[in-house]
Amino acid sequence: EVQLVQSGAEVKKPGESLKISCTVSGYSFTEYWIGWVRQVPGKGLEWMGIIYPGDSDTKYSPSFQAQVTLSVDKSISTAYLQWRSLEASDTAMYYCARESESDYYFDYWGQGTLVTVSS
Amino acid sequence: QSVLTQPPSVSGAPGQRVTISCTGSSSNIGANYVVSWYQQFPGTAPKLLIYFNTNRPSGVPDRFSGSKSGTSASLAITGLQAEDEADYYCQSYDSSLSRSVFGGGTKLTVL
Repeated sequence: EVQLVQSGAEVKKPGESLKISCTVSGYSFTEYWIGWVRQVPGKGLEWMGIIYPGDSDTKYSPSFQAQVTLSVDKSISTAYLQWRSLEASDTAMYYCARESESDYYFDYWGQGTLVTVSS
Repeated sequence: QSVLTQPPSVSGAPGQRVTISCTGSSSNIGANYVVSWYQQFPGTAPKLLIYFNTNRPSGVPDRFSGSKSGTSASLAITGLQAEDEADYYCQSYDSSLSRSVFGGGTKLTVL
């Protein structure tokens, strides 16, 4: 069974750093792209970026490229989304999702990680 | 503003048929990139509902169907049920942006 399990909710202050995780199981981690999607409370889905764990090739949305970093640890089948300096506007739910091997859609999703940034 | 345009809301009575449109352009849907649809209930992660324009993953009722024509796609739900009340999002690839894009989402209300 394919599963993506994300790390728990975080409460941070502006300016702090953060790294959230997405641990996968049930398939070969290195053979599928993993994407990250942001959802601000009450708003829609925003495609942030995607990473290929096999070689860490990454593609970012310009809206997020300067703010976040995607990475993976193949040894533990885990993908990461990282901020160096959080802002209040980063408050949102963040989902990781597996991109289908056949096209640009997400066939499995993590449960989401709520990030709250407040002073 | 989303690259793919969806109506903010649609509604229908139980048993009725509703459609949700997803309008794109020549750099995404019109460029023959496939469309997928997701269903999201409050407080939960999105779930894949339709892929490759018309295909349903295992377990998705055949009351849900997708179609595509030109620069637009549609999600149709027949025999509307109260449990279908959720947010629905379309997704495609955009060649000018070189990335996937989502529609703004549509809230379905079952009257």
